[in-house]
Amino acid sequence: EADIYQTPRYLVIGTGKKITLECSQTMGHDKMYWYQQDPGMELHLIHYSYGVNSTEKGDLSSESTVSRIRTEHFPLTLESARPSHTSQYLCASSELVGGAFATNEKLFFGSGTQLSVL
Amino acid sequence: RKEVEQDPGPFNVPEGATVAFNCTYSNSASQSFFWYRQDCRKEPKLLMSVYSSGNEDGRFTAQLNRASQYISLLIRDSKLSDSATYLCVVNRADSWGKLQFGAGTQVVVTP
Repeated sequence: EADIYQTPRYLVIGTGKKITLECSQTMGHDKMYWYQQDPGMELHLIHYSYGVNSTEKGDLSSESTVSRIRTEHFPLTLESARPSHTSQYLCASSELVGGAFATNEKLFFGSGTQLSVL
Repeated sequence: RKEVEQDPGPFNVPEGATVAFNCTYSNSASQSFFWYRQDCRKEPKLLMSVYSSGNEDGRFTAQLNRASQYISLLIRDSKLSDSATYLCVVNRADSWGKLQFGAGTQVVVTP
């Protein structure tokens, strides 16, 4: 089982509120990611990090921000939530796996935060 | 055009039957390929990596066709617990660490 945790599991909040979604992993992974997923749709990468003090924007434009002060912690913040931010947010970390012929990156996902902005 | 495309299904499969489905990718620079499984309202979990020569893990067989740019997943002797959405994931050589996800193929195994 993966040791990556997200809180809260569900969040219902009013428009204009500032929120922080927490993500922590105890596997010592350097790479961490935030994905956004709507029902029946593919995951979209919104932020990623190669390690401490590294943060990059993903493929999907997002009004959120992230920080990586500690290896194990990768929180995502929305300064002013809007109904368009309603979605599932999935945090992941990764490790390289493989052998002599191939090296692949294995993602471990948290349980996700289902955000509803009213 | 999406970089990774999958038939959304659902594929309704009687228990014990075999089901197979494909995933196409558009970028020829793609280098690593994976199948993830996602249960309803749960997080994705790695099912298996896909190697060039094809690989098997129990009842699951994955194949890669680079010439036609698709990967496939075959499930033999389907179990009720195989009901899930199967996500195709591709890692491009020119953007290491930025995996591209398909929207998934839903499989429903019926008694």
